[in-house]
Parts: sequence; C-alpha cells; structure tokens
Amino acid sequence: QQPVQSPQAVILREGEDAVINCSSSKALYSVHWYRQKHGEAPVFLMILLKGGEQMRHEKISASFNEKKQQSSLYLTASQLSYSGTYFCGTTGPGGYQKVTFGTGTKLQVIP
Amino acid sequence: DADVTQTPRNRITKTGKRIMLECSQTKGHDRMYWYRQDPGLGLRLIYYSFDVKDINKGEISDGYSVSRQAQAKFSLSLESAIPNQTALYFCATSDPAPRSGSYNEQFFGPGTRLTVL
Repeated sequence: QQPVQSPQAVILREGEDAVINCSSSKALYSVHWYRQKHGEAPVFLMILLKGGEQMRHEKISASFNEKKQQSSLYLTASQLSYSGTYFCGTTGPGGYQKVTFGTGTKLQVIP
Repeated sequence: DADVTQTPRNRITKTGKRIMLECSQTKGHDRMYWYRQDPGLGLRLIYYSFDVKDINKGEISDGYSVSRQAQAKFSLSLESAIPNQTALYFCATSDPAPRSGSYNEQFFGPGTRLTVL
C-alpha cells in the first residue's frame, strides 16, 4: 500500500517555508525522498533509516518518526529551483524490500 | 554519457501490439526496476530484479513481463498493449548499502512516454 503524502499541492513565494508529510500504515525501516522537476526523472534527495539522525540536503531537511510511521520534509527559505513534485518512498522491516512510493506533492515556488 | 538510458524515449502504438521498452545502465548496479508514472498516482513498481537470476513482481505486474539479459540490461514488454497502459515509464538502478542492507539511492533513467491508441 502506497504511503500517503500531504498536502497534494502547495504554492509558495520565494523565501517561505513548507512542510511535506509522508505517512504509512505499515512499520517502516527507511524513508526516501526524491524530487522530480517538470519533464525530468526523479532525483534522490535523502534517505532516513530507522534509528538514524535527521538528514539535510542544502536547505532541505527531513525527520523520521518511527513510532508514528511518518516522515516530514522541511523546505526552508524556498528558492525557485525547489519547484517540482516531491515523492517519499518507504521500505518495511528487513531492509531488502522494494521501495513503495507515495503519490507525490507538487510544489510551486513563485517570485 | 547518461548512466541509465532508456529506449525509445517516445512511442505511440495501437491496441493489441507487442511493445518492448529497453533499459541499459553503466553504473555497475545489480538492482534494476521498472516503474510507471500516471498523474496523481505517483510512481508504481511493475517489476524489479536484484540480480540477473532474480526477477520479482511489483505492485502492478499484470499485463507486463520483463527480461534481465545481463547485469546492465533490463527490458519491459507489453505483450498486448491496451490504452490504460498509456503512461510514463521509468527504469531505475540501485546498489544496496553493504552495512545496513537497506536501499541507497535509486538512479532513474530519462523515461519512456508510451501512448496506446
């Protein structure tokens, strides 16, 4: 079952902050975050492992709440280049399982 | 040169035709995947392969088959294409993190846009 992402879409002005959430009904081992710009392939941002620390990619950070089976992606002081669709992907216990991606959150940053 | 390539990049075909989408990679990764992307549905896994002798069904394998010809090549076939298989198809590769056993990042090809009329 796909993880649920919220919001489905968000529009920001440059410099504003945003949070994208990813929730799963299953126990999670890891959470992956990808960004896909329009007309391009998804590109890896970061991975969070169970018991691991909060990760950062430039001004984008993420957290993983294992008990709640949730992850959040924090975009700080957004830039035009942050526009795109953000996907979370999850793996269950065992670690070797396939990644199941969410339906995506479309982020648009405007001047 | 791109590390993960897909051919063709665009294809228009008719209902009932057999179609093959090809993926090649120069990253030396053992793991390869096929996804389809539809608006509002995100990326859904069709098939995946952990090595040449290992093929696994994903979430939506019905109507598709795959062949792992070599470590570097993974092909997706639609035996008899139907209109609801119109989508953007991505191939991806990854290499397992040796310590944790979890997946590290997946590298995606540029995608194949398939239209079935």
